[in-house]
Amino acid sequence: AQSVTQLDSQVPVFEEAPVELRCNYSSSVSVYLFWYVQYPNQGLQLLLKYLSGSTLVKGINGFEAEFNKSQTSFHLRKPSVHISDTAEYFCAVGAKKLVFGTGTRLLVSP
Amino acid sequence: DAGVIQSPRHEVTEMGQEVTLRCKPISGHNSLFWYRQTMMRGLELLIYFNNNVPIDDSGMPEDRFSAKMPNASFSTLKIQPSEPRDSAVYFCASSLMLGAAGGANVLTFGAGSRLTVL
Repeated sequence: AQSVTQLDSQVPVFEEAPVELRCNYSSSVSVYLFWYVQYPNQGLQLLLKYLSGSTLVKGINGFEAEFNKSQTSFHLRKPSVHISDTAEYFCAVGAKKLVFGTGTRLLVSP
Repeated sequence: DAGVIQSPRHEVTEMGQEVTLRCKPISGHNSLFWYRQTMMRGLELLIYFNNNVPIDDSGMPEDRFSAKMPNASFSTLKIQPSEPRDSAVYFCASSLMLGAAGGANVLTFGAGSRLTVL
C-alpha cells in the first residue's frame, strides 16, 4: 500500500521569504512522487514530478523538490515566494493510481 | 487542447434526486479518473478507467454511485439517490497511461464539479 503524509495543514509566510512544504511517503513498490497545486475554485495542476534519476527536481513557478529515499521524504521548496503562490499544495505518490496527501495551505502575506 | 472539461461546474439538488456529472477527457488520453474532494477526507479516488474499461472501482462509496465511459471522449458519474453527505467537489482527470511497465502516470485535472445536496 502507498500513502503520503503532509505534516503541515497550513504554512503562513511573508512575501519574498523562503518556504518548505513537507511530505513523507510510504511505498512498497517503485516510487513515483508528485506535487500538485490547487488555486481557489480550480482543479489541480502539476508542479513537478520525480520518476527516477536526479533527486533534485525542478518544477514550474520556481519550485523544486528533493527526493530523499533514506528519509522517505519529498519536500517542496521555493527560495522566495510571491503573493500569487497562495494556494493549496498536494503531495502524491503512485504509479497508475495516485494517492494524495491531505494538502498544505500556503498563505503568503505582504 | 481545451484540457479536461467537466460539467456542470456547480450543482445544487435536494436529497433523493439523481445527479449526473460529466467529463470530457483530453483527446488522445487513454485513462480517466474520478476523484472526490471533501474537507474531512481530502482527495479520494473513486474509480478509474483504462481504454474505456473500469479497472478499479474500489473507491466507489456504495451502490448509489455508478460511473460509465461509453467512449474515449466521455464519462459520467451518477449518484442515485443523492444524500447530503455526497456534497463535495468531484474531479475528473485524464492521462496517457503506458503499458504495465510504463511507469508513472501524470494526471491532468478538470476544474471540478461542486455538488451540494440539501
